Amino acid sequence: DIVMTQSPDSLTVSLGETATINCKSSQSVLYSSNNKNYLGWYQQKPGQPPKLLIYWASTRESGVPDRFSGSGSGTDFTLTISSLQAEDVAVYYCQQYYHTPCSFGQGTKLELK
Amino acid sequence: QVQLQESGPGLVKPSETLSLSCTVSGYSISSGYSWGWIRQPPGKGLEWIGSFSQSGSTYYTPSLKSRVTISVDTSTNEFSLRLTSVTAADTAVYFCARGIKPTVTPNWFFDLWGRGTLVTVSS
Repeated sequence: DIVMTQSPDSLTVSLGETATINCKSSQSVLYSSNNKNYLGWYQQKPGQPPKLLIYWASTRESGVPDRFSGSGSGTDFTLTISSLQAEDVAVYYCQQYYHTPCSFGQGTKLELK
Repeated sequence: QVQLQESGPGLVKPSETLSLSCTVSGYSISSGYSWGWIRQPPGKGLEWIGSFSQSGSTYYTPSLKSRVTISVDTSTNEFSLRLTSVTAADTAVYFCARGIKPTVTPNWFFDLWGRGTLVTVSS
């Protein structure tokens, strides 16, 4: 199975600052035929289900604020949250959907300083 | 507005069978997309359990494949999860979700989730 490793496990950031979360896959999730990275990002707030933020590594889901951005290719990916808001406090997960079975990272907990 | 709602017992005894249903409203599950189950042990990460696609095929994660069955009832717009021979390790919040399958391989990302239901395995 593909192992998704996120770093850091937890992150403390001040309001208005930028949070950066990394995700590394044990194998490439880039499909050369269409040049797409099969990588998504989710946000999970306490007591709520995960919410899809980004797919194809950098495509924002409808309704997701543009302060959320995704980047990277192959095995290394980043979720960047700029101008951090209080409502961004959550656990963030990456997911690869290229290799079977699809798999998630262990999560990164984002807190306010 | 499409919504998913899980239902089923919150407590299951060890060695017994866990059974959950997911009712979808606002969209006919036979119209498209894939639908599946993901679980999350308390305080831990997410694990995909299995999904079914519009082709009629059902896929399961290898570690649970021998114990899992996902079935569909299009007449009630529901799909179900059965997990046999449960142990404490199966204690988790179980989510049903709508999946988007971007290629011919059995993989998905999930754009819509139910709120989840906690199932505890204990005697």
